[in-house]
Amino acid sequence: EPEVTQTPSHQVTQMGQEVILRCVPISNHLYFYWYRQILGQKVEFLVSFYNNEISEKSEIFDDQFSVERPDGSNFTLKIRSTKLEDSAMYFCASRGQATNTEAFFGQGTRLTVV
Amino acid sequence: GQSLEQPSEVTAVEGAIVQINCTYQTSGFYGLSWYQQHDGGAPTFLSYNALDGLEETGRFSSFLSRSDSYGYLLLQELQMKDSASYFCAAPWSTGFQKLVFGTGTRLLVSP
Repeated sequence: EPEVTQTPSHQVTQMGQEVILRCVPISNHLYFYWYRQILGQKVEFLVSFYNNEISEKSEIFDDQFSVERPDGSNFTLKIRSTKLEDSAMYFCASRGQATNTEAFFGQGTRLTVV
Repeated sequence: GQSLEQPSEVTAVEGAIVQINCTYQTSGFYGLSWYQQHDGGAPTFLSYNALDGLEETGRFSSFLSRSDSYGYLLLQELQMKDSASYFCAAPWSTGFQKLVFGTGTRLLVSP
């Protein structure tokens, strides 16, 4: 069964450092998302990406965040200068056609900023 | 604004039926999804209601009432493996470009 894969599963970084979280969405999907979940809290939307550009972003997704689909398969989230409050689980998700309502989530990257 | 509210926790015993409610406030609404998340795992899709009424998928059913800005997930014949967090979620733009999740309900199933 096709799945969304994310690497690494756990990333520890020092405050102020840049991190790149990587995702390989399901190959024929067209819509890509990043979400984050602080421990014990709800899943929060960060950004959606379609047709090689950001289609929606939340207020959380400020200038410190960026996304890329550099090679047609990978989908990355970059945090330029991490803060302690960026510590969370980051989930990548993808969706097929416009009429498909199901989003498929990866297993997540746990980011710990120290 | 966009918000979906759920009870924080629900407890039930094996074999029972449980209902998890979701109320929402929105300036635009296109339907309601439900996701299951086990501890440490990824959210997995359960159902989607585009129209009012009940959708049944095996032991799980989902209901939507647009006039009441309300939906629920009904889980029947509860099993221990159903212990998880359940989130309602709604796409808040055409094309489902933004899927907003509810506050989440932790379901604890006991023997």
